[in-house]
Amino acid sequence: DTAVSQTPKYLVTQMGNDKSIKCEQNLGHDTMYWYKQDSKKFLKIMFSYNNKELIINETVPNRFSPKSPDKAHLNLHINSLELGDSAVYFCASSQGAFGQPQHFGDGTRLSIL
Amino acid sequence: EDQVTQSPEALRLQEGESSSLNCSYTVSGLRGLFWYRQDPGKGPEFLFTLYSAGEEKEKERLKATLTKKESFLHITAPKPEDSATYLCAVQGTHYGGSQGNLIFGKGTKLSVKP
Repeated sequence: DTAVSQTPKYLVTQMGNDKSIKCEQNLGHDTMYWYKQDSKKFLKIMFSYNNKELIINETVPNRFSPKSPDKAHLNLHINSLELGDSAVYFCASSQGAFGQPQHFGDGTRLSIL
Repeated sequence: EDQVTQSPEALRLQEGESSSLNCSYTVSGLRGLFWYRQDPGKGPEFLFTLYSAGEEKEKERLKATLTKKESFLHITAPKPEDSATYLCAVQGTHYGGSQGNLIFGKGTKLSVKP
């Protein structure tokens, strides 16, 4: 009965490849997010979706694209992977975008060789 | 620009030794201040939300307080299982591309020895 689940947990791939990370939440929330946690453990917002509409798009490279087939899923697609993309990526969800706590998945550790 | 600074970066306590973690913030209008706990290899686990100065929340050995400039997470008689990284985040009310963002601090790594 995991609330926010991400797959895969680990992803090891070569530079230049394209990869996807999937996220699903069963909390009935209407807003979902992607965060990046770098090697210094600093957590930064990348994207969020509210009712299938992008409401935050931080200054991330356009190689990263979020895709939401429905409000329970927000997948992250990454094209032409670079060494600097190595990090832990977290998915989160909340009920509403403002003032409500966000609930996180356990992360996907992406390693670029 | 919204900013969150947590101190200390690391804290070592003996079991039963109470202490406090600090979160100083700068935000143009506070929608909420959030405390999370993160264990190694896991995602942040939500603990508390505080919305206005003077507000306090408690859960077991943890108590969070809020002023207009900072929040404290007080840990009373900690146990080894309280060892984790504690993250503070704020959400502001300003408009623009970052509306709704959680701005996180770098966290305080707490170690409680038996």
